[in-house]
Amino acid sequence: DGGITQSPKYLFRKEGQNVTLSCEQNLNHDAMYWYRQDPGQGLRLIYYSQIVNDFQKGDIAEGYSVSREKKESFPLTVTSAQKNPTAFYLCASSRGSPTNEKLFFGSGTQLSVL
Amino acid sequence: GNSVTQMEGPVTLSEEAFLTINCTYTATGYPSLFWYVQYPGEGLQLLLKATKADDKGSNKGFEATYRKETTSFHLEKGSVQVSDSAVYFCALSPSPLGAGSYQLTFGKGTKLSVIP
Repeated sequence: DGGITQSPKYLFRKEGQNVTLSCEQNLNHDAMYWYRQDPGQGLRLIYYSQIVNDFQKGDIAEGYSVSREKKESFPLTVTSAQKNPTAFYLCASSRGSPTNEKLFFGSGTQLSVL
Repeated sequence: GNSVTQMEGPVTLSEEAFLTINCTYTATGYPSLFWYVQYPGEGLQLLLKATKADDKGSNKGFEATYRKETTSFHLEKGSVQVSDSAVYFCALSPSPLGAGSYQLTFGKGTKLSVIP
Protein backbone atom coordinates (compact mmCIF):
# COMPACT_ATOMS: atom_id res chain seq x y z
CA ASP A 1 0.00 0.00 0.00
CA GLY A 2 1.24 3.46 -0.83
CA GLY A 3 1.51 5.98 1.94
CA ILE A 4 3.61 7.87 4.44
CA THR A 5 5.29 6.17 7.36
CA GLN A 6 6.41 8.11 10.40
CA SER A 7 8.48 6.58 13.16
CA PRO A 8 8.60 6.25 16.02
CA LYS A 9 5.03 6.82 17.18
CA TYR A 10 6.25 8.06 20.57
CA LEU A 11 9.62 9.62 21.31
CA PHE A 12 11.16 10.99 24.48
CA ARG A 13 13.94 13.55 24.56
CA LYS A 14 16.25 14.36 27.40
CA GLU A 15 17.41 17.89 28.04
CA GLY A 16 20.20 18.92 25.65
CA GLN A 17 19.67 15.97 23.36
CA ASN A 18 19.05 16.00 19.61
CA VAL A 19 16.44 13.58 18.30
CA THR A 20 15.50 12.64 14.75
CA LEU A 21 12.00 11.86 13.52
CA SER A 22 11.73 9.65 10.49
CA CYS A 23 9.39 10.19 7.53
CA GLU A 24 9.30 7.90 4.51
CA GLN A 25 6.90 7.94 1.54
CA ASN A 26 6.42 5.52 -1.33
CA LEU A 27 4.00 7.71 -3.26
CA ASN A 28 6.71 9.07 -5.58
CA HIS A 29 5.80 12.59 -4.44
CA ASP A 30 8.18 15.44 -5.09
CA ALA A 31 7.13 17.65 -2.17
CA MET A 32 7.37 16.83 1.52
CA TYR A 33 6.53 18.81 4.65
CA TRP A 34 6.89 18.83 8.42
CA TYR A 35 4.18 20.34 10.60
CA ARG A 36 3.98 20.79 14.33
CA GLN A 37 0.60 20.40 16.04
CA ASP A 38 0.00 21.85 19.51
CA PRO A 39 -3.34 21.68 21.32
CA GLY A 40 -5.44 24.67 20.38
CA GLN A 41 -2.79 25.91 17.93
CA GLY A 42 -3.57 24.00 14.79
CA LEU A 43 -0.75 23.04 12.44
CA ARG A 44 2.31 25.16 11.89
CA LEU A 45 4.80 24.57 9.09
CA ILE A 46 8.38 23.82 10.18
CA TYR A 47 10.13 22.98 6.89
CA TYR A 48 9.14 21.94 3.43
CA SER A 49 10.90 20.51 0.42
CA GLN A 50 9.65 20.99 -3.10
CA ILE A 51 12.14 18.56 -4.60
CA VAL A 52 15.02 16.32 -3.58
CA ASN A 53 18.17 18.11 -2.38
CA ASP A 54 16.23 21.31 -1.71
CA PHE A 55 14.26 22.56 1.29
CA GLN A 56 12.95 25.83 2.73
CA LYS A 57 12.12 27.12 6.19
CA GLY A 58 8.50 27.39 7.19
CA ASP A 59 7.00 29.58 9.90
CA ILE A 60 8.72 27.98 12.92
CA ALA A 61 12.04 26.53 11.70
CA GLU A 62 14.19 27.70 14.62
CA GLY A 63 15.58 24.75 16.59
CA TYR A 64 14.89 22.25 13.81
CA SER A 65 16.88 20.90 10.87
CA VAL A 66 16.03 18.68 7.90
CA SER A 67 17.66 16.94 4.96
CA ARG A 68 16.28 15.68 1.65
CA GLU A 69 18.95 13.44 0.18
CA LYS A 70 16.44 10.95 -1.19
CA LYS A 71 13.07 11.58 -2.78
CA GLU A 72 11.28 9.20 -0.41
CA SER A 73 12.82 10.42 2.86
CA PHE A 74 12.58 13.70 4.79
CA PRO A 75 13.92 13.29 8.35
CA LEU A 76 13.43 16.04 10.93
CA THR A 77 15.98 16.67 13.68
CA VAL A 78 14.80 18.45 16.80
CA THR A 79 17.92 20.07 18.22
CA SER A 80 18.71 21.13 21.76
CA ALA A 81 18.10 24.71 20.61
CA GLN A 82 14.36 23.97 20.46
CA LYS A 83 13.33 24.90 23.98
CA ASN A 84 9.76 23.68 23.83
CA PRO A 85 9.80 20.55 21.67
CA THR A 86 6.85 18.72 23.24
CA ALA A 87 4.27 18.45 20.46
CA PHE A 88 2.72 16.17 17.88
CA TYR A 89 4.73 16.16 14.64
CA LEU A 90 3.11 15.42 11.30
CA CYS A 91 4.88 14.68 8.04
CA ALA A 92 3.10 15.13 4.73
CA SER A 93 3.78 14.83 1.03
CA SER A 94 2.20 15.95 -2.24
CA ARG A 95 2.81 15.53 -5.95
CA GLY A 96 3.17 19.26 -6.38
CA SER A 97 1.98 22.54 -4.89
CA PRO A 98 -0.85 22.08 -2.37
CA THR A 99 -2.79 24.62 -4.41
CA ASN A 100 -3.45 21.85 -6.91
CA GLU A 101 -2.44 18.63 -5.19
CA LYS A 102 -3.74 17.33 -1.90
CA LEU A 103 -1.45 16.60 0.98
CA PHE A 104 -1.11 13.06 2.26
CA PHE A 105 -0.28 12.88 5.97
CA GLY A 106 1.44 10.32 8.12
CA SER A 107 -0.03 9.25 11.44
CA GLY A 108 2.36 11.41 13.44
CA THR A 109 5.03 11.24 16.14
CA GLN A 110 4.37 12.45 19.69
CA LEU A 111 7.55 13.96 21.12
CA SER A 112 7.84 14.54 24.85
CA VAL A 113 10.63 15.92 27.02
CA LEU A 114 11.78 13.89 30.00
CA GLY B 1 0.39 37.66 6.01
CA ASN B 2 -2.08 34.88 5.36
CA SER B 3 -4.31 33.64 8.15
CA VAL B 4 -7.31 31.41 8.77
CA THR B 5 -9.78 31.82 11.60
CA GLN B 6 -12.13 29.03 12.62
CA MET B 7 -14.91 28.96 15.16
CA GLU B 8 -13.85 27.77 18.58
CA GLY B 9 -14.75 24.26 19.56
CA PRO B 10 -15.54 21.78 20.75
CA VAL B 11 -18.85 21.35 18.99
CA THR B 12 -21.18 18.64 20.26
CA LEU B 13 -24.18 17.61 18.18
CA SER B 14 -26.75 14.87 18.24
CA GLU B 15 -26.85 12.44 15.34
CA GLU B 16 -28.75 13.80 12.29
CA ALA B 17 -28.28 17.41 13.40
CA PHE B 18 -27.20 20.15 10.98
CA LEU B 19 -23.54 21.15 11.14
CA THR B 20 -21.91 24.47 10.39
CA ILE B 21 -18.26 25.22 11.14
CA ASN B 22 -17.33 28.80 10.32
CA CYS B 23 -14.08 29.69 8.59
CA THR B 24 -12.86 33.10 7.46
CA TYR B 25 -9.54 33.95 5.90
CA THR B 26 -7.14 36.79 5.21
CA ALA B 27 -4.99 36.57 2.11
CA THR B 28 -3.87 38.59 -0.85
CA GLY B 29 -4.74 37.60 -4.36
CA TYR B 30 -6.83 34.52 -5.04
CA PRO B 31 -6.03 31.72 -2.61
CA SER B 32 -7.33 28.18 -2.83
CA LEU B 33 -9.31 27.00 0.18
CA PHE B 34 -9.51 23.58 1.79
CA TRP B 35 -11.09 21.58 4.57
CA TYR B 36 -8.99 18.80 6.05
CA VAL B 37 -10.27 16.29 8.62
CA GLN B 38 -8.33 14.46 11.32
CA TYR B 39 -9.93 11.33 12.77
CA PRO B 40 -8.74 10.19 16.22
CA GLY B 41 -5.19 8.85 16.17
CA GLU B 42 -4.65 9.61 12.48
CA GLY B 43 -3.06 12.21 10.26
CA LEU B 44 -5.10 14.72 8.30
CA GLN B 45 -6.86 13.94 5.05
CA LEU B 46 -8.38 16.25 2.48
CA LEU B 47 -12.14 16.54 2.78
CA LEU B 48 -12.92 19.11 0.08
CA LYS B 49 -11.49 22.12 -1.70
CA ALA B 50 -12.39 25.16 -3.82
CA THR B 51 -9.98 27.04 -6.00
CA LYS B 52 -11.90 30.14 -7.07
CA ALA B 53 -14.69 32.42 -5.93
CA ASP B 54 -18.20 30.91 -5.87
CA ASP B 55 -16.83 27.37 -6.28
CA LYS B 56 -18.52 24.80 -4.07
CA GLY B 57 -16.47 21.90 -2.78
CA SER B 58 -18.31 18.77 -1.68
CA ASN B 59 -17.51 15.29 -0.39
CA LYS B 60 -19.18 12.70 1.87
CA GLY B 61 -22.21 14.96 2.37
CA PHE B 62 -20.08 17.95 3.43
CA GLU B 63 -20.15 21.20 1.45
CA ALA B 64 -18.37 24.55 1.53
CA THR B 65 -18.69 27.54 -0.80
CA TYR B 66 -15.83 29.95 -1.50
CA ARG B 67 -17.26 33.42 -0.77
CA LYS B 68 -14.75 36.08 -1.75
CA GLU B 69 -17.04 38.96 -0.76
CA THR B 70 -17.16 37.74 2.84
CA THR B 71 -13.75 35.96 2.75
CA SER B 72 -15.40 32.84 4.09
CA PHE B 73 -15.45 29.09 3.47
CA HIS B 74 -17.93 27.66 5.98
CA LEU B 75 -18.28 23.89 6.25
CA GLU B 76 -21.81 22.43 6.33
CA LYS B 77 -23.47 19.05 6.52
CA GLY B 78 -27.16 18.46 6.63
CA SER B 79 -27.20 15.38 8.87
CA VAL B 80 -24.15 14.38 10.87
CA GLN B 81 -23.31 10.85 11.94
CA VAL B 82 -21.30 9.51 14.86
CA SER B 83 -18.56 8.59 12.38
CA ASP B 84 -18.12 12.30 11.56
CA SER B 85 -16.60 12.89 15.00
CA ALA B 86 -13.17 14.35 14.25
CA VAL B 87 -11.18 17.57 14.18
CA TYR B 88 -11.83 19.76 11.14
CA PHE B 89 -9.21 22.18 9.80
CA CYS B 90 -9.79 25.00 7.37
CA ALA B 91 -6.73 25.89 5.29
CA LEU B 92 -5.60 28.13 2.48
CA SER B 93 -2.92 28.00 -0.15
CA PRO B 94 -1.73 31.31 -1.56
CA SER B 95 -2.32 32.34 -5.11
CA PRO B 96 -0.40 29.86 -7.27
CA LEU B 97 1.51 32.63 -8.97
CA GLY B 98 2.69 34.14 -5.71
CA ALA B 99 5.59 33.24 -3.49
CA GLY B 100 4.96 30.60 -0.86
CA SER B 101 2.51 28.53 -2.81
CA TYR B 102 3.83 25.44 -0.99
CA GLN B 103 3.00 26.98 2.40
CA LEU B 104 -0.44 25.79 3.36
CA THR B 105 -1.84 27.89 6.24
CA PHE B 106 -4.13 26.03 8.65
CA GLY B 107 -6.70 27.24 11.13
CA LYS B 108 -6.58 26.00 14.71
CA GLY B 109 -9.07 23.23 14.12
CA THR B 110 -12.58 22.59 15.43
CA LYS B 111 -13.31 19.39 17.30
CA LEU B 112 -16.70 17.87 16.49
CA SER B 113 -18.29 15.22 18.67
CA VAL B 114 -21.50 13.57 17.47
CA ILE B 115 -23.50 11.66 20.07
CA PRO B 116 -26.08 8.97 19.26
